[in-house]
Amino acid sequence: GAVVSQHPSWVICKSGTSVKIECRSLDFQATTMFWYRQFPKQSLMLMATSNEGSKATYEQGVEKDKFLINHASLTLSTLTVTSAHPEDSSFYICSGHRVGYNSPLHFGNGTRLTVT
Amino acid sequence: KNEVEQSPQNLTAQEGEFITINCSYSVGISALHWLQQHPGGGIVSLFMLSSGKKKHGRLIATINIQEKHSSLHITASHPRDSAVYICAVRGRTSGTYKYIFGTGTRLKVLA
Repeated sequence: GAVVSQHPSWVICKSGTSVKIECRSLDFQATTMFWYRQFPKQSLMLMATSNEGSKATYEQGVEKDKFLINHASLTLSTLTVTSAHPEDSSFYICSGHRVGYNSPLHFGNGTRLTVT
Repeated sequence: KNEVEQSPQNLTAQEGEFITINCSYSVGISALHWLQQHPGGGIVSLFMLSSGKKKHGRLIATINIQEKHSSLHITASHPRDSAVYICAVRGRTSGTYKYIFGTGTRLKVLA
């Protein structure tokens, strides 16, 4: 089956620093990547949708200058949490979507971010 | 009211029991997904449905488009089925699409 590799799986950083999370589709071309945030015991919250070669579409309430998303190729999307703050601590997960109207979602294994 | 509602929120079953998890939604959709999230956080896509019924091993998923309802059934449940099961619908907004997620059903199967 299709594989999405997300890296790192966990990261601890200090307040004020930036953290980059990578999401790679290993064996398919992901025209669309979704980035989610998940709080403990809650469901996934869509942060933004990125299409290869164009600007990401952010959901209401998500600061685009704080959560920078780049989708420069069909196999790589990155989320950079800038000037991280303790309340940015969360579980971030990406999913890739193949070309085609009704194709399955393929999720990365997530990144647990802790900002101290 | 959430656009995607799941029930129950929590479920504990004995090994071997037949399990049903329900999902109701209030928006127009093009597809519905059932996802499985294990304690480590990784998410696996179990089914994608737009109509009817699908079966994979001990898992069965059904959808009734008219009633805007889907069910996930697990037959002969096993402790390794313990996970959070999430229903996600792919809606349509202004010609594009976005996914809306239910809050998940936390299943624990006891040996």
